[in-house]
Amino acid sequence: DQQVKQNSPSLSVQEGRISILNCDYTNSMFDYFLWYKKYPAEGPTFLISISSIKDKNEDGRFTVFLNKSAKHLSLHIVPSQPGDSAVYFCAARAGGSQGNLIFGKGTKLSVKP
Amino acid sequence: DAGVTQSPTHLIKTRGQQVTLRCSPKSGHDTVSWYQQALGQGPQFIFQYYEEEERQRGNFPDRFSGHQFPNYSSELNVNALLLGDSALYLCASRWRASTAHEQFFGPGTRLTVL
Repeated sequence: DQQVKQNSPSLSVQEGRISILNCDYTNSMFDYFLWYKKYPAEGPTFLISISSIKDKNEDGRFTVFLNKSAKHLSLHIVPSQPGDSAVYFCAARAGGSQGNLIFGKGTKLSVKP
Repeated sequence: DAGVTQSPTHLIKTRGQQVTLRCSPKSGHDTVSWYQQALGQGPQFIFQYYEEEERQRGNFPDRFSGHQFPNYSSELNVNALLLGDSALYLCASRWRASTAHEQFFGPGTRLTVL
């Protein structure tokens, strides 16, 4: 059973508009949530994270929101740029500071000029 | 500062064969984790190595084994290859004592089993 779910396989957004990528999880013991971006032929690159005790973290154009009661997090990209086109993975950390990451299936974001 | 490197980039094997993939962690990192990413899926945790020992393991059969060397580099070995082992194999590293929680990934090795 998937513990981290990204239900939208793809998302298309116009340049300059907001991109919202969603992620749901089932395990309330996750202590950190991370977003990774992946371009073809490259490994995932860390983007932004949020602790389970926070509800928002912002870094430049990227903001992650966490709703613990709904077991839901979202990544907002404002404004979206063509270079943001990539696959975005939501990941959750299990088992404390040395825990491994559990990934969703990813959402492919296309930002059109 | 070199990031995580993996070799080879691509590999083609036939069913029943054995394969060894290699990973050099980012400079200063001492913990290496391996992930398998099948087509259309997210990366799935295989195991983690620290101080040359397997510390954590995901839901993978014993055909998957690993090793970590004194210089922190690591190998992933897969025996008796199956068609379903075809995937991108990712190595990730971090410094165990760091308070940061992100892992740094290499570009991966694309394994095709025919």
